Amino acid sequence: AQSVTQLDSHVSVSEGTPVLLRCNYSSSYSPSLFWYVQHPNKGLQLLLKYTSAATLVKGINGFEAEFKKSETSFHLTKPSAHMSDAAEYFCVVEAYTDKLIFGTGTRLQVFP
Amino acid sequence: DAGVIQSPRHEVTEMGQEVTLRCKPISGHNSLFWYRQTMMRGLELLIYFNNNVPIDDSGMPEDRFSAKMPNASFSTLKIQPSEPRDSAVYFCASRSYPTGSRPSGGNNEQFFGPGTRLTVL
Repeated sequence: AQSVTQLDSHVSVSEGTPVLLRCNYSSSYSPSLFWYVQHPNKGLQLLLKYTSAATLVKGINGFEAEFKKSETSFHLTKPSAHMSDAAEYFCVVEAYTDKLIFGTGTRLQVFP
Repeated sequence: DAGVIQSPRHEVTEMGQEVTLRCKPISGHNSLFWYRQTMMRGLELLIYFNNNVPIDDSGMPEDRFSAKMPNASFSTLKIQPSEPRDSAVYFCASRSYPTGSRPSGGNNEQFFGPGTRLTVL
């Protein structure tokens, strides 16, 4: 079965410092992985996706994630946080069905 | 493209009343998903449709919940009777995906609507 584990429920950073949101996955085959972002009182928006074409995936708003098979990880990073990055972030793995399996989410706070 | 459209955006009702949530998927998408989001349980998949046919409703909490998709451009999620514990944000999502192709190779991106915030008093 496929699953994802988001290792931090909350992450706080100062504006201008790097962001690291951690995600580990479990999958019996080469997975497709996604990061979604949810701003307050909004729906979910796709940040980026991994589809086995390249291990380093670039997304919107300066985010990127690296697929590491040996570590079963798909961590989300950004070199410099902006106040507008404050949101909830979900790591997602595709199940061997038509479903997406969502992690429990990481709330990112950005302080000025 | 207007994206996934949900209505109403907010609904406040009293316990025992019937509630109907509506969703219009992105034109051309052939799959539609209903999710529920709460603080306690996070994001839960309730039911999804492929080509207007319900495929998996194992996430539907109980018989009080029902969902329909009469055509490719419209779906409803109904709760009857509603209870305070049904209070949550309900999201609809859609995608365009060749059914039967598993895994999709990352073509399984779902597009979410803005959600309906339901409060049952």
